[in-house]
Amino acid sequence: EAGVAQSPRYKIIEKRQSVAFWCNPISGHATLYWYQQILGQGPKLLIQFQNNGVVDDSQLPKDRFSAERLKGVDSTLKIQPAKLEDSAVYLCASSLGTDTGELFFGEGSRLTVL
Amino acid sequence: AQSVAQPEDQVNVAEGNPLTVKCTYSVSGNPYLFWYVQYPNRGLQFLLKYITGDNLVKGSYGFEAEFNKSQTSFHLKKPSALVSDSALYFCAVREGYNFNKFYFGSGTKLNVKP
Repeated sequence: EAGVAQSPRYKIIEKRQSVAFWCNPISGHATLYWYQQILGQGPKLLIQFQNNGVVDDSQLPKDRFSAERLKGVDSTLKIQPAKLEDSAVYLCASSLGTDTGELFFGEGSRLTVL
Repeated sequence: AQSVAQPEDQVNVAEGNPLTVKCTYSVSGNPYLFWYVQYPNRGLQFLLKYITGDNLVKGSYGFEAEFNKSQTSFHLKKPSALVSDSALYFCAVREGYNFNKFYFGSGTKLNVKP
């Protein structure tokens, strides 16, 4: 079974530039999550999709971050314009959506903002 | 509100000795508890989960965890540590409702020395 795919693995940009991250969840997983992990900290939920609908984006900085999940499968997370404090690993995860299932994580996309 | 606490930023143990990584939780309703491991520059990998049943849960790589309802704890254990167990460990709790949100602890760095 293929895992959660993310790209790019690494990205370096200058502040005020834009960046986009892509995620392809495990086939059949209804729930998709984007987490931000700053070095030395636990993952922080940015946005959660159930199929193609947003169920939680309360911690997404909406003035600069946006995300979409077209057709309930792939998802894209965009940052525009980037700030220095956005330097982090962006983790995508998916789950079946049942209340007992675990999350399956991708390898992450490491963003460095200079 | 749901929350997870990992009171130790770092745990040091000698190879061959038993290890314990601590986790306490706060949830309303039944707790669904998880442990994940993260190696450098990798995503989080699922180790084990407690949903219901036996309080001692066995997982990957020889790890196990003990659920203690009265102490609201879910400590991760291994009888004999390996140098290769050195990594970052995260405890998480999942809501069984409200679209299955996950809450992660801040992580504990495990150092196993030869």
